[in-house]
Amino acid sequence: DGGITQSPKYLFRKEGQNVTLSCEQNLNHDAMYWYRQDPGQGLRLIYYSQIVNDFQKGDIAEGYSVSREKKESFPLTVTSAQKNPTAFYLCASSRADGTYEQYFGPGTRLTVT
Amino acid sequence: AQSVTQPDIHITVSEGASLELRCNYSYGATPYLFWYVQSPGQGLQLLLKYFSGDTLVQGIKGFEAEFKRSQSSFNLRKPSVHWSDAAEYFCAVGAYDNNNDMRFGAGTRLTVKP
Repeated sequence: DGGITQSPKYLFRKEGQNVTLSCEQNLNHDAMYWYRQDPGQGLRLIYYSQIVNDFQKGDIAEGYSVSREKKESFPLTVTSAQKNPTAFYLCASSRADGTYEQYFGPGTRLTVT
Repeated sequence: AQSVTQPDIHITVSEGASLELRCNYSYGATPYLFWYVQSPGQGLQLLLKYFSGDTLVQGIKGFEAEFKRSQSSFNLRKPSVHWSDAAEYFCAVGAYDNNNDMRFGAGTRLTVKP
């Protein structure tokens, strides 16, 4: 079955530690996205990538970093510079042919204490 | 940039009753509009989308939505709600010239009473 996998589902870290969230897709999509979801705020775009080895900042990129070394993979690192990292993180992908619809993974809930 | 407002944070309906979830958008050109559904602790699933053409679009799970340009709205409807429809619903608007710029509303949580 084609889809997007995110691991782990739950992640706990101590303050001051960097943590990397995994996102893999086998949909052969060119574009991939990372969103942050907080209660009552909908989804906010962190980073996106349209092709391998290229990515762009979204609205709330500060304190986050990404890489896109393979088409299938788009890991997100939450650095210690992110002031409020506890949130639900969603990865998505889409074709880059103008069809726009994004397909979402199941999400990772990160808790930093 | 485009934006989306979902005026209702939480809606409760009885099972079998009809449902309408409101969505208003702001965008200077013809928008690309979407409705997604999210079950607790899960990702988002696309219910339906509007790009052009017929303003009444049908989606999965018996949902439909109507694009009304004059009202800048894209309300989601279902004639008879099932208990399994309890979830959070997000409206989203995309820019026609930038498929990476998708804006989501804050969501409407739907509770279904037995």
